[in-house]
Amino acid sequence: NAGVTQTPKFQVLKTGQSMTLQCAQDMNHEYMSWYRQDPGMGLRLIHYSVGAGITDQGEVPNGYNVSRSTTEDFPLRLLSAAPSQTSVYFCASRPLGDFSSPLHFGNGTRLTVT
Amino acid sequence: AQKITQTQPGMFVQEKEAVTLDCTYDTSDPSYGLFWYKQPSSGEMIFLIYQGSYDQQNATEGRYSLNFQKARKSANLVISASQLGDSAMYFCAMREDRGGTSYGKLTFGQGTILTVHP
Repeated sequence: NAGVTQTPKFQVLKTGQSMTLQCAQDMNHEYMSWYRQDPGMGLRLIHYSVGAGITDQGEVPNGYNVSRSTTEDFPLRLLSAAPSQTSVYFCASRPLGDFSSPLHFGNGTRLTVT
Repeated sequence: AQKITQTQPGMFVQEKEAVTLDCTYDTSDPSYGLFWYKQPSSGEMIFLIYQGSYDQQNATEGRYSLNFQKARKSANLVISASQLGDSAMYFCAMREDRGGTSYGKLTFGQGTILTVHP
């Protein structure tokens, strides 16, 4: 079982460029989410989805888009990268209906915007 | 207002001793879940332990236990017999199960860096 797979592991962008962070899970989890981790701020939720075709905003959605066309994939798009988006990005998933189930995390993408 | 507060930016413990990492939370939802994660220097997020708001007993998982004090809204992580490999960042997180569903989002605290000395 691969679990949650994120690509790429590292990325450097110039200000204004766009890119997509990929996330795929093979556990048939309904719930998927994107977090960013910045020093001293813990993990903050960007966007989440409770199933294919359903997405919603988290705490820090500005500058990011998501879509969920399949259960497995939940890509995160940066529309026009800014230095403030330099961060480590985590994708995570879990099954719905099980209150005790934790989020399963990918290994993260370290993004630098210059 | 912060939903999850971890007041200890850094903690030090001697190998083989026990250590408590503090976590307080704020919610008006009667149904919620509390989670602890470990993040070693390699960066991955590792789930450690879960406590449900209706659970009568404190959760335990091996050397990890959760000291759940519902009235005080605290969910402290206790690590017994610390090992060098326990050195990492530890995050407390809460999911509010609004309406009794499990659709709630997970909110994280700022984290505590634990250093275990030999």
